[in-house]
Amino acid sequence: DIQMTQSPSSVSASVGDRVTITCRASQVISNWLAWYQQKPGKAPKVLIYAASTLQSGVPSRFRGSGSGTEFTLTISSLQPEDFATYYCQQSNSFPRSFGQGTKVEI
Amino acid sequence: QVQLQELGPGLVKPSQTLSLTCSVSGGSITSDNFYWSWIRQHPGQGLEWIGYIYSSGITYYKASLKSRLTISLDTSKNHFSLKLSSVTAADTAVYYCAREDRAAEYLQHWGQGTLVTVSS
Repeated sequence: DIQMTQSPSSVSASVGDRVTITCRASQVISNWLAWYQQKPGKAPKVLIYAASTLQSGVPSRFRGSGSGTEFTLTISSLQPEDFATYYCQQSNSFPRSFGQGTKVEI
Repeated sequence: QVQLQELGPGLVKPSQTLSLTCSVSGGSITSDNFYWSWIRQHPGQGLEWIGYIYSSGITYYKASLKSRLTISLDTSKNHFSLKLSSVTAADTAVYYCAREDRAAEYLQHWGQGTLVTVSS
């Protein structure tokens, strides 16, 4: 099974900050990676798929990059509604697997 | 717009079977384009992918749950179901159903989630 490791596990930031989250896969997954945002008590929502494709309706301040085993999610200018937990997920093979999450907090 | 909704009891006794249904509206579960998936989240923890079912009935289960897990389709009701047997407190979690796009391979639509507590 493919293991996904995110870092950091949490980050403190302010509105307007640039935030970068890293996700590493235990084996090559090409670009089969998605990023999800989850707010408390809510279901996750996809932000990015295929490593760098922005889901329709997601603000352009979210950017995904990477391929192979290393990936990043960058929020270029943090907004109040972006305080949430972010997960990466590989879709290269089954079983699917998620990173442990990165909490972005004030 | 497709919508998914998890339905089922919020409390299950230890050793019994946890049964949930995911009702799908705005799209057919017989479509070849999607995997119908279950994901769970233990309280305060991250996301755990459990398994999926395809329109043909093909399933894939997470290995650690395989002996206790069954995912099935009911095309007449346009829903799919999860059954997890011999539950323990470790199965207490929020359970989500979701639809994965087979082409782009990401979980595009999610239900709102339902908390299932295993307790006597």
